[in-house]
Amino acid sequence: DTGVSQNPRHKITKRGQNVTFRCDPISEHNRLYWYRQTLGQGPEFLTYFQNEAQLEKSRLLSDRFSAERPKGSFSTLEIQRTEQGDSAMYLCASSLMWEVGYGYTFGSGTRLTVV
Amino acid sequence: DAKTTQPNSMESNEEEPVHLPCNHSTISGTDYIHWYRQLPSQGPEYVIHGLTSNVNNRMASLAIAEDRKSSTLILHRATLRDAAVYYCILLGVDFGNEKLTFGTGTRLTIIP
Repeated sequence: DTGVSQNPRHKITKRGQNVTFRCDPISEHNRLYWYRQTLGQGPEFLTYFQNEAQLEKSRLLSDRFSAERPKGSFSTLEIQRTEQGDSAMYLCASSLMWEVGYGYTFGSGTRLTVV
Repeated sequence: DAKTTQPNSMESNEEEPVHLPCNHSTISGTDYIHWYRQLPSQGPEYVIHGLTSNVNNRMASLAIAEDRKSSTLILHRATLRDAAVYYCILLGVDFGNEKLTFGTGTRLTIIP
């Protein structure tokens, strides 16, 4: 297993455009998380899935953000009508539900720049 | 959410041990203590975790106070590759607390 894979690594988009990111977790992991990180801050939780069910979504998350995990494997995060404030690193992580203490495995992230 | 308190930054000399402190006075009995680190331009990386007893792995050791209100991550022999931001996080088992919530962490600088 090659770990958590995120694509693309970098994305530059114009304000108002829609963007979609993909995350491929470790195959046996049933939980998948999305985080956002801006410069100088720790990662901020956005949402997470257990298998295909979205269990929690941050109250701070705009309605322009939506995430899916249709078959309980890969996940996509879409941002509609991007704004400059959406510029950040978007991180995906996966874990195994039954191993509370086992830790998350993070991908290398997708860096979004909105111009 | 249970909170942790860490120093903003620390420095250490290369090849010497490093002790990174974390306070978590409001920890509940079922919260695990997790440590992650983040190297520049990378996603966070799991380091170690524990519940009550001290833990060792190939990367580090975790010393947990008897009352569990504080813990210390120990890097036994720091190298330049250990320069990173280290996050101490409490991970619960109940809904709403069963996700990692990051603070700003401790930025560790290793001096050659």
